[in-house]
Amino acid sequence: GAVVSQHPSWVICKSGTSVKIECRSLDFQATTMFWYRQFPKQSLMLMATSNEGSKATYEQGVEKDKFLINHASLTLSTLTVTSAHPEDSSFYICSAVVEPGLSNQPQHFGDGTRLSIL
Amino acid sequence: AQTVTQSQPEMSVQEAETVTLSCTYDTSESDYYLFWYKQPPSRQMILVIRQEAYKQQNATENRFSVNFQKAAKSFSLKISDSQLGDAAMYFCAYRSSGGYQKVTFGTGTKLQVIP
Repeated sequence: GAVVSQHPSWVICKSGTSVKIECRSLDFQATTMFWYRQFPKQSLMLMATSNEGSKATYEQGVEKDKFLINHASLTLSTLTVTSAHPEDSSFYICSAVVEPGLSNQPQHFGDGTRLSIL
Repeated sequence: AQTVTQSQPEMSVQEAETVTLSCTYDTSESDYYLFWYKQPPSRQMILVIRQEAYKQQNATENRFSVNFQKAAKSFSLKISDSQLGDAAMYFCAYRSSGGYQKVTFGTGTKLQVIP
């Protein structure tokens, strides 16, 4: 149980295009999902917390207009990298919690998306 | 703000031997949760073990166990009978209690298992 699916797993696109990454909870409802960014050989950095039906909460230093997050349903959150540039190339990982109100619940992670901007 | 420190960027262990990965953290809170996650080359984050700060007993999951020293703010992971499949990046993580809070990850330790 508690499977999180992320799509696509790898995307290569030209500079200036927008890229949408999907994060789905397959067998549970996730009112809260998280988006992380991971540079090579580095740790995960939280970008934003995605809440179903409300605006996402962004971490300090993360551009809201650059990284658009939509959590329109209890099983889907999307991250759109707008007008992507080579410096946006990274590994993006989403996670979800089965019951965010229970703080002992671990996060369940998607497989990640490798984004390469040419 | 909480911080998590993993002082060992890389570790190696002989297959079937035991290895301990270190983690320290800094917090002013008394109740919180600690986790160890494994990230193999496939890049998926996998939960290895978790510990509630209010529990004195160290958590154990098969070959994985922790040494939780609350006063010292230390949370090390011991892997017994190491297997080739244990080779991965290991991240220590901290989360506050009292409703859902964000998770803070350490910088990771790359574990190599030598056949």
